[in-house]
Amino acid sequence: GQQVMQIPQYQHVQEGEDFTTYCNSSTTLSNIQWYKQRPGGHPVFLIQLVKSGEVKKQKRLTFQFGEAKKNSSLHITATQTTDVGTYFCAGQGGGSQGNLIFGKGTKLSVKP
Amino acid sequence: GAGVSQSPSNKVTEKGKDVELRCDPISGHTALYWYRQSLGQGLEFLIYFQGNSAPDKSGLPSDRFSAERTGGSVSTLTIQRTQQEDSAVYLCASSLVDRAHFGSGTRLTVV
Repeated sequence: GQQVMQIPQYQHVQEGEDFTTYCNSSTTLSNIQWYKQRPGGHPVFLIQLVKSGEVKKQKRLTFQFGEAKKNSSLHITATQTTDVGTYFCAGQGGGSQGNLIFGKGTKLSVKP
Repeated sequence: GAGVSQSPSNKVTEKGKDVELRCDPISGHTALYWYRQSLGQGLEFLIYFQGNSAPDKSGLPSDRFSAERTGGSVSTLTIQRTQQEDSAVYLCASSLVDRAHFGSGTRLTVV
């Protein structure tokens, strides 16, 4: 079945450093979504990428979708303590009607 | 409703007992997902409902787990003969087109 791998599992950075998490699917995706889960909270939707090679930005966050629609990345520039949490990618295979399979997430800690 | 509602928020049960977890999705959302999250771990897919289609049950870990979705709305996840390894947070999410909206989860503790 569809699998979504995500690395690294953990990332510890100094405030102000950059951070990147990578996601790779075993199958071609219809779209990929990114979520953030704060400690003690539930996952919250950040963004969806649909087109091959798509790049989207949200302030200091940059999201990319690979040309083959099988991999994606999230890059945070100049991390802040408010960025702390676990970032999950989620691949959807069957169009907007398909199942949503999550990667294992990357837990980001930021040292002030 | 305003968001996805799950009940109970916390459940402590004795090993061997059955439990039912409830999810009220956002009104009109056709897709409903159940995931399990152990402490500090990722989201383990359990089951997916989409409209009137047959559910995708491929993530259910054993036949002790089952789920229903009545009338295309409320869903119940049932765990029979609970085991200690079933202890986790069970998250429900619903969606219409793209983004999944998560409930706050049910924390299940099997003692």
